[in-house]
Amino acid sequence: EDQVTQSPEALRLQEGESSSLNCSYTVSGLRGLFWYRQDPGKGPEFLFTLYSAGEEKEKERLKATLTKKESFLHITAPKPEDSATYLCAVQAGGYQKVTFGIGTKLQVIP
Amino acid sequence: ETGVTQTPRHLVMGMTNKKSLKCEQHLGHNAMYWYKQSAKKPLELMFVYSLEERVENNSVPSRFSPECPNSSHLFLHLHTLQPEDSALYLCASSQDGAGGLNGYTFGSGTRLTVV
Repeated sequence: EDQVTQSPEALRLQEGESSSLNCSYTVSGLRGLFWYRQDPGKGPEFLFTLYSAGEEKEKERLKATLTKKESFLHITAPKPEDSATYLCAVQAGGYQKVTFGIGTKLQVIP
Repeated sequence: ETGVTQTPRHLVMGMTNKKSLKCEQHLGHNAMYWYKQSAKKPLELMFVYSLEERVENNSVPSRFSPECPNSSHLFLHLHTLQPEDSALYLCASSQDGAGGLNGYTFGSGTRLTVV
């Protein structure tokens, strides 16, 4: 059974304090690993797809990396508007089989 | 209007009621999904429609009944729900040629409370 574990569950940062969120996964035949951002009262917003170990993608202050067992979402010099829940998901094997993690709730304090 | 639109945003219903959730996408995507999001739990895939055909039904109780009349519209019909069905119901769409690997576009969800 595919599994996705995100840590920490919650993270509180001062504005400008860089950090990383972790997504560990167990899957057979990874087709893609996704990162989403979810604001309160809204649906998740797609950020990145990573396809293979060693791949990196960046968007503004966010950088996602992938190894064979985990992915990191690095947040450089975060701002209060980066506060959200960040979800990780994997797609593997069969058609449309996407498994989500519970997410990391990030709070950036001014 | 662009993106994925869900109505209503909030719904309170009794256990004996029948109601429907509506989802509409204007992105030209050809796959649509229903997900359930409960507190402290990961998103649970309920149904997938690709090219208007249901391709996934994740052991969802029969009190949930999906309908996809065309590639732009998706409904979730609800009847005789239980209090544990209270959750945020999210609709999503994707361009199915990549099997969703280009990411899903989610709506803002319907917050359902069963009393």
